[in-house]
Amino acid sequence: DTAVSQTPKYLVTQMGNDKSIKCEQNLGHDTMYWYKQDSKKFLKIMFSYNNKELIINETVPNRFSPKSPDKAHLNLHINSLELGDSAVYFCASSPSGGMSDTQYFGPGTRLTVL
Amino acid sequence: SQQGEEDPQALSIQEGENATMNCSYKTSINNLQWYRQNSGRGLVHLILIRSNEREKHSGRLRVTLDTSKKSSSLLITASRAADTASYFCATDRGSTLGRLYFGRGTQLTVWP
Repeated sequence: DTAVSQTPKYLVTQMGNDKSIKCEQNLGHDTMYWYKQDSKKFLKIMFSYNNKELIINETVPNRFSPKSPDKAHLNLHINSLELGDSAVYFCASSPSGGMSDTQYFGPGTRLTVL
Repeated sequence: SQQGEEDPQALSIQEGENATMNCSYKTSINNLQWYRQNSGRGLVHLILIRSNEREKHSGRLRVTLDTSKKSSSLLITASRAADTASYFCATDRGSTLGRLYFGRGTQLTVWP
């Protein structure tokens, strides 16, 4: 059983397109996150949701819009894709979003914008 | 800006040797965590050390924390080829919201 799953694993698209990445966790956690990892492996938090409510938005451009239909899902929609959006995007979840939580990561989605 | 700064950026050792990775950070923290990332995979949590702890062990892992120097180290003893991965430290920058700030990681290669 996969704890945190993401689809698709790879996404190749043209500049200007709109795309979505889906994330699901079956751990019963209340909090979910999106991270972006650049080509130099720097991992940066983008958003977090607790029980479908936005908790953290780390000054991410408006072109990125997370959506949480329920606490087990956190999808990421990206409008008007740019070359700089190319990265690996990781979804993660944690029990309550507290500072001592362990975060459980998905396998990542490698986005390539041409 | 990134919080953790791991060094070395890359470490190459033989099986059986110990591997030490360091992490420095800039702000006050509640906790510091270490994660491992195998190539092409997501991160896996290894260990959490609280700001009032100085040392913690888990199996072959030993983590130290020096809040006065704002630094931490991760020691892997008797390393194995399967330990080959990138290792990241992450802090909360004093926030209670569960957000983590990662460094760029140390790429550890263990040769059989």
